[in-house]
Amino acid sequence: GNSVTQMEGPVTLSEEAFLTINCTYTATGYPSLFWYVQYPGEGLQLLLKATKADDKGSNKGFEATYRKETTSFHLEKGSVQVSDSAVYFCALSYNTDKLIFGTGTRLQVFP
Amino acid sequence: GAVVSQHPSRVICKSGTSVKIECRSLDFQATTMFWYRQFPKQSLMLMATSNEGSKATYEQGVEKDKFLINHASLTLSTLTVTSAHPEDSSFYICSAPYQGVKDTQYFGPGTRLTVL
Repeated sequence: GNSVTQMEGPVTLSEEAFLTINCTYTATGYPSLFWYVQYPGEGLQLLLKATKADDKGSNKGFEATYRKETTSFHLEKGSVQVSDSAVYFCALSYNTDKLIFGTGTRLQVFP
Repeated sequence: GAVVSQHPSRVICKSGTSVKIECRSLDFQATTMFWYRQFPKQSLMLMATSNEGSKATYEQGVEKDKFLINHASLTLSTLTVTSAHPEDSSFYICSAPYQGVKDTQYFGPGTRLTVL
């Protein structure tokens, strides 16, 4: 079946460090891929998305590239801030708005 | 951006009682809403799709009689956990797709249910 696998957290970084959160997926066909972020006490928010192979989604300094050959959608940011501390979820969907989520990765950034 | 609210944000109840959780789209209409359940350190699991004016569609393994869903209007869906037991304790989250914009959903902040 379809599934999403994320690296386990927490990921702990100092401010301005480089961030990578790995995400791989198992799916048939060509799903859309997403990164959602959940700040403390808030609902999930869409961070970025990519709908086809080789697309790059980007937002707020975060980037992820849809790699069909490696079935990956790793999230990266060149310089994290304390305000980036949150839980990050990788997800996929097939034109139905139903989302299949990874387990989430908690990011903690310290000054 | 669009807002989805949930009420209550947290609820504690005794075993055997029923609990209703509301999900509202505050500034847009939603003919469809989704209900997810999130266990500690686990991903969000889709429970059911709530459809305005028709029956909800449940995912495999989700008990329809345990988790009653009613989509009463274009801005409100409710999830009722009937005869709740401690194993139903969890974090319940709803979402609503934003009509007309592909791959765009808005999530509620979630409801923490604790069954004693």
